[in-house]
Amino acid sequence: AQSVTQLGSHVSVSEGALVLLRCNYSSSVPPYLFWYVQYPNQGLQLLLKYTSAATLVKGINGFEAEFKKSETSFHLTKPSAHMSDAAEYFCAVITQGAQKLVFGQGTRLTINP
Amino acid sequence: DTAVSQTPKYLVTQMGNDKSIKCEQNLGHDTMYWYKQDSKKFLKIMFSYNNKELIINETVPNRFSPKSPDKAHLNLHINSLELGDSAVYFCASSARGPYNEKLFFGSGTQLSVL
Repeated sequence: AQSVTQLGSHVSVSEGALVLLRCNYSSSVPPYLFWYVQYPNQGLQLLLKYTSAATLVKGINGFEAEFKKSETSFHLTKPSAHMSDAAEYFCAVITQGAQKLVFGQGTRLTINP
Repeated sequence: DTAVSQTPKYLVTQMGNDKSIKCEQNLGHDTMYWYKQDSKKFLKIMFSYNNKELIINETVPNRFSPKSPDKAHLNLHINSLELGDSAVYFCASSARGPYNEKLFFGSGTQLSVL
């Protein structure tokens, strides 16, 4: 069965600094990987997804993630944090034939002025 | 026009009561889901319907019963509410399956059982 682990339940960065949110997956077959963002009191929104095309995936709001099979990782980055990036971020995985998307435990991103 | 809408947004009720949460999507999607998010933000799937047919039924107490009258609606009925049912419940939909399809989430229903 597939699973994801997000390292760090809380990440805090200064405005303008690099954002790095870590996600490692476990899957015996090629995975599809996703990052979702949840702003306060809202549902989740898709930031980006990896579906076996390019390993570097660009998403909305300046975020990108790189699929590294050798490291079983799909870390999320943004070169320069903005105050509006403060939210909860979820990594998720599914494999072809599986019926359910499995979410990580989430990482809360705080931006310091 | 909200893509996935769920009502109510807040639900406060006493233990033992029965309550329902309604969900509607206007995206023409075939698949709808119910997720539960606990106080630690952990998100877990409860049910999934594809074109009104139940395809995922996780280990959820029988007190929870989903109903899909048509593919645009997926309601959640909860009998004999317990303190541990307090959580945020999210409805979601996707065009087909979740493989490479984007999930669209509602804004959540915060259920508080007193």
